[in-house]
Formats: sequence, C-alpha cells, structure tokens
Amino acid sequence: NAGVTQTPKFRILKIGQSMTLQCAQDMNHNYMYWYRQDPGMGLKLIYYSVGAGITDKGEVPNGYNVSRSTTEDFPLRLELAAPSQTSVYFCASTSGHTDTQYFGPGTRLTVL
Amino acid sequence: GQQLNQSPQSMFIQEGEDVSMNCTSSSIFNTWLWYKQDPGEGPVLLIALYKAGELTSNGRLTAQFGITRKDSFLNISASIPSDVGIYFCAGQLRGSQGNLIFGKGTKLSVKP
Repeated sequence: NAGVTQTPKFRILKIGQSMTLQCAQDMNHNYMYWYRQDPGMGLKLIYYSVGAGITDKGEVPNGYNVSRSTTEDFPLRLELAAPSQTSVYFCASTSGHTDTQYFGPGTRLTVL
Repeated sequence: GQQLNQSPQSMFIQEGEDVSMNCTSSSIFNTWLWYKQDPGEGPVLLIALYKAGELTSNGRLTAQFGITRKDSFLNISASIPSDVGIYFCAGQLRGSQGNLIFGKGTKLSVKP
C-alpha cells in the first residue's frame, strides 16, 4: 500500500489563481480530512468527509472547497488564492472515526 | 474553537536525558494521540490512547491518558539524536466525527 499520497509537493500561486490539491489513499478508508499547518502551529481542520458523496466543514473552511466522488480521492480546491492561504496542507485518512489518522507527506503552498 | 495547551513549546536537551511534555484542555476527550513530525514530512503516529488512565509504551516512549480525560503526557526516556523533531498531541472530542484538535507542538532538540 502507498498509504496517503498528495500532489503536488510544492506550489507557488499568484493572488487570485486557482488550484486543486490532490489527495488519494489506497487503504479503503471511509474518513478523509484536510488540514493546514501554519508555522509554529498545530494542524487545523479545513474539511472532512465520512464517505463518498459526503463532506463537511471543519474549523477553517473559508476559501476552500472539497468533493468526494470516490472513496479513494479527496481533492481540495482553492478558487481565488490569497496570501493568507500560504501554508502546508496535509491530507489524512482513517477507517473509522475512532481510529487513528494516517497523514500524507503534505503540500507546501505559497501565494504571492 | 477548542484549544489544546501543549507545553513546553521547545526543549533543548543532552543526549541520554529523559523528556516530558504534556497537553491540557478544558474539554473532555475520547482519544488522545501523540504524533511526531520531521521536517518536510507529515505527522507520524507514535502512541494512541483510548481510555482514561491508560498508560501505553512504545519503545522508549510512554504516554498516559489523564484520569479527568482532559490531559495527557508523553515521556521519552534516554533521548537520542534521532528523537529530534516536533511532537504534537491531538485529541478527539467526545461525540465528534473523528475530528482531531491539535496542540501547537513541542520542538525537541537533542545535543549529542
């Protein structure tokens, strides 16, 4: 199993551009999560999904959108990139809501 | 939003010394997790705790789920240089959909 994979690893965007951060897992996990990590801070939940077709907002959802058309994939969309979205983004998955989460390697995004 | 208070923020220790860090909250948690993050990587799970009072070890690491369910600590014995990194506590609130709340991390530096 590859576990949780994320692409791209790095990206620089201009203000107002849009992009999609990809996340995939091959463990047949129902639950998937997107977090952002700012320097010197812990992770904050952006969006999560409890299964294909079901998504919900986390603590900091503004400026982001997600979709979950398949169990494996959980892309995160930035429509109008802003400097405040400069961060490292982590995707995670788990088989059940009481189980431990496995994290991807992260996407480092800079918005200039 | 909910907060976890993690301390200390950073530690500089000599190789061979023991390390202790903790997390506290005003909220009750069902699960406490301890992660380690190396530079440029996603968090990796070290220890998961599921019951109040539970004491669990993983090699030189020991963690406990506080009796009140509002705190947890992590101890590392006989530290070695590869213990360097940022350690995060994370808690899952009672009744949540697996959403984790993260502490701000403890940055550990080990001097050989």
